[in-house]
Amino acid sequence: DVKVTQSSRYLVKRTGEKVFLECVQDMDHENMFWYRQDPGLGLRLIYFSYDVKMKEKGDIPEGYSVSREKKERFSLILESASTNQTSMYLCASSLGGGLQREQFFGPGTRLTVL
Amino acid sequence: QQQVKQSPQSLIVQKGGISIINCAYENTAFDYFPWYQQFPGKGPALLIAIRPDVSEKKEGRFTISFNKSAKQFSLHIMDSQPGDSATYFCAARSYNQGGKLIFGQGTELSVKP
Repeated sequence: DVKVTQSSRYLVKRTGEKVFLECVQDMDHENMFWYRQDPGLGLRLIYFSYDVKMKEKGDIPEGYSVSREKKERFSLILESASTNQTSMYLCASSLGGGLQREQFFGPGTRLTVL
Repeated sequence: QQQVKQSPQSLIVQKGGISIINCAYENTAFDYFPWYQQFPGKGPALLIAIRPDVSEKKEGRFTISFNKSAKQFSLHIMDSQPGDSATYFCAARSYNQGGKLIFGQGTELSVKP
């Protein structure tokens, strides 16, 4: 079974703090994604990566950065957390090749910024 | 700009009834349309998917109907069960954007016993 794990299920941070969300997948997938999920807005893509050290902006990259130093690990960084970044963050991975590849999701990290 | 519009936002169905969730899109470059199911506390998981060269795909009680000319697709859940209660997301992918998916807003389905 494909497994995507996220470092924390719940996280509470203060405004202005630097926040790291970690994601690890165990299926040697080339593609990795970070989404945020908000009620009524669905899943919105923040950043994605097709390969190690490569990153592409998604639809809402402002206020976020990412790092992919190893194939299995994709980190989302909030340089200076703000209250409007309170959300559920979901990591996903998929095989490469650009075809109709299923995305496998982690359980999510619910981040609250106070 | 929401490229995939999903409705309704929430849906209540009696056990044994048919649940119908609709999605509409604008980008004619979309070539893959998956539906994801998400239970509380879990990440979304692929439920069923369709390509635009077919008008319908059925897997058990779940059916996708696809209307290419109208740029609409829908999920039908036949004989809905309380265990189907979850949030459902439609999505679409463009052939020229690799593995990137555009998701709809989600539908929270509640099946009453």
